[in-house]
Amino acid sequence: GIQVEQSPPDLILQEGANSTLRCNFSDSVNNLQWFHQNPWGQLINLFYIPSGTKQNGRLSATTVATERYSLLYISSSQTTDSGVYFCAVERRYNFNKFYFGSGTKLNVKP
Amino acid sequence: DVKVTQSSRYLVKRTGEKVFLECVQDMDHENMFWYRQDPGLGLRLIYFSYDVKMKEKGDIPEGYSVSREKKERFSLILESASTNQTSMYLCASCPSSGGPADTQYFGPGTRLTVL
Repeated sequence: GIQVEQSPPDLILQEGANSTLRCNFSDSVNNLQWFHQNPWGQLINLFYIPSGTKQNGRLSATTVATERYSLLYISSSQTTDSGVYFCAVERRYNFNKFYFGSGTKLNVKP
Repeated sequence: DVKVTQSSRYLVKRTGEKVFLECVQDMDHENMFWYRQDPGLGLRLIYFSYDVKMKEKGDIPEGYSVSREKKERFSLILESASTNQTSMYLCASCPSSGGPADTQYFGPGTRLTVL
């Protein structure tokens, strides 16, 4: 399969701080997505970003496909940002099979 | 909005029991997935289905089987539950358009405990 590594595994922030989460992957991909899992377990898609940069409010993501990594930026963090952030990739020529990293657990303190 | 529902939020079963987990999606998606989530391991794919009656093994299919008789419904079956199958089980669906629409939508999860 494809290896997906996320860092850091755990992150504690004070409300209002900025952070960068990283996802490294070991092979070419068709599809890369970032997800947020809230404390109740629900996974929500944040970005579909196999390459380039996207922004959505306080969140933005950049994927450099040639160097096999993606970054998720969280600015002005809020307590509602707490949870686990996952990166998932679909390997090139291996459609519909997604590989997840082990996640970054974020705790934003008020 | 896409809605993916799972039959139970919490489930407690005994070792050796046959367990059915059901997932239903309402967006006519071709693809459906079953994952299990364990601490420190992220989500691991058990099985997926790209059409009715079609299925493919994921990375950890041992001890599981699946059924997809209708497009909107994908069932995960534990033939004889064991304690090492205690986990959070997540169902997802997505279209197969080959582009940005291929985002996965997840159900709320079923936390299964096998005693």
